Amino acid sequence: KAGVTQTPRYLIKTRGQQVTLSCSPISGHRSVSWYQQTPGQGLQFLFEYFSETQRNKGNFPGRFSGRQFSNSRSEMNVSTLELGDSALYLCASSLEVSGRNTGELFFGEGSRLTVL
Amino acid sequence: TQLLEQSPQFLSIQEGENLTVYCNSSSVFSSLQWYRQEPGEGPVLLVTVVTGGEVKKLKRLTFQFGDARKDSSLHITAAQPGDTGLYLCAGSNYKLTFGKGTLLTVNP
Repeated sequence: KAGVTQTPRYLIKTRGQQVTLSCSPISGHRSVSWYQQTPGQGLQFLFEYFSETQRNKGNFPGRFSGRQFSNSRSEMNVSTLELGDSALYLCASSLEVSGRNTGELFFGEGSRLTVL
Repeated sequence: TQLLEQSPQFLSIQEGENLTVYCNSSSVFSSLQWYRQEPGEGPVLLVTVVTGGEVKKLKRLTFQFGDARKDSSLHITAAQPGDTGLYLCAGSNYKLTFGKGTLLTVNP
């Protein structure tokens, strides 16, 4: 069973640019969550999508956005990049059982973004 | 805001030693999870504990959920270099809240 796939693995951008990251969840998983990981703040929740709808959202500015497609694949976008956006962006998928999320996350390897 | 404090932040030990890391909060969680993250990879789920006082064992790893469901501990017996990594706890209510982790290094 293929795991969660994130692309690209590494990317370098400059301030003011925008970036789009992609995530393909495990087959059958319809919930996709995004996290930002930095050494100082740890793992911080960005948002969660289920059936193409944003179900939960963390405390990030509007420059951070996401979407989910009908095949459960998800993308997140960061516009007007700032130096502080440099981080590892992790995507995780989880399974719904009888309408309830199991809460157990399966993470991808992440996309490491460097903003210069 | 639900916060999870993990301690110690860093731990460096020799192969064969035992260790315990802690995860504490002032909030009650419906369940708590432990993940391990190795360099260059995403976190991998180790265990989920649900019941207050619950103890789960995974080979040399023993996980305990506090009676009040506010804290948890992870004990590793006879640590090996392969145990090296960032250990993260995550508490679940309506959403999952992660601690900042304990970075464990086991030296051969």
